[in-house]
Amino acid sequence: AQKITQTQPGMFVQEKEAVTLDCTYDTSDPSYGLFWYKQPSSGEMIFLIYQGSYDQQNATEGRYSLNFQKARKSANLVISASQLGDSAMYFCAMREGWADSSYKLIFGSGTRLLVRP
Amino acid sequence: GAGVSQTPSNKVTEKGKYVELRCDPISGHTALYWYRQSLGQGPEFLIYFQGTGAADDSGLPNDRFFAVRPEGSVSTLKIQRTERGDSAVYLCASSPYPPGGSTDTQYFGPGTRLTVL
Repeated sequence: AQKITQTQPGMFVQEKEAVTLDCTYDTSDPSYGLFWYKQPSSGEMIFLIYQGSYDQQNATEGRYSLNFQKARKSANLVISASQLGDSAMYFCAMREGWADSSYKLIFGSGTRLLVRP
Repeated sequence: GAGVSQTPSNKVTEKGKYVELRCDPISGHTALYWYRQSLGQGPEFLIYFQGTGAADDSGLPNDRFFAVRPEGSVSTLKIQRTERGDSAVYLCASSPYPPGGSTDTQYFGPGTRLTVL
């Protein structure tokens, strides 16, 4: 079974509007971390936001927020006030808990976001 | 401060040749990861170093792949007898240790694009 599922291969959003990128995950570990990364055409993976499984509140970082619904095992990324520079691939990733001592990240297949002027 | 750096940025080689890819992590980060990203996919874990030792090499596809980190800083990924299927972007990431919460966020380098002809 896929551990991280991103069901939207591509998304469009109008500049200045908000957009939600979907991510669902699968783990039986009670302790895990969820990450979102942005990958522009230059190729570098840029860390955006982190949510821990025990965090009570949804994470926020500037225009980025994470809609964490633990019971549904979803961790959707919300980008508010989209900008042209937000056009990129977005990856959701999970680090399973302390049973996996390497703390390696498991990535989804990504969502390509295009912001229209 | 300086981020993760990787050299070369591009490497073109012929089938059967040997290649070395270098990663210089963020200063002070003791955890180092190698990932491989094929076209249109998310990165896949290869190997994890904690200090000088490879703590988890479960992602290496076969024994043609090997990585070292002799002084606990710079790491080299080595691929012997390259095959066309090895063509991909090889990403390196580093993080602080011990991990926990957002402190185990992995910061990625720009990657090395390997093309095997």
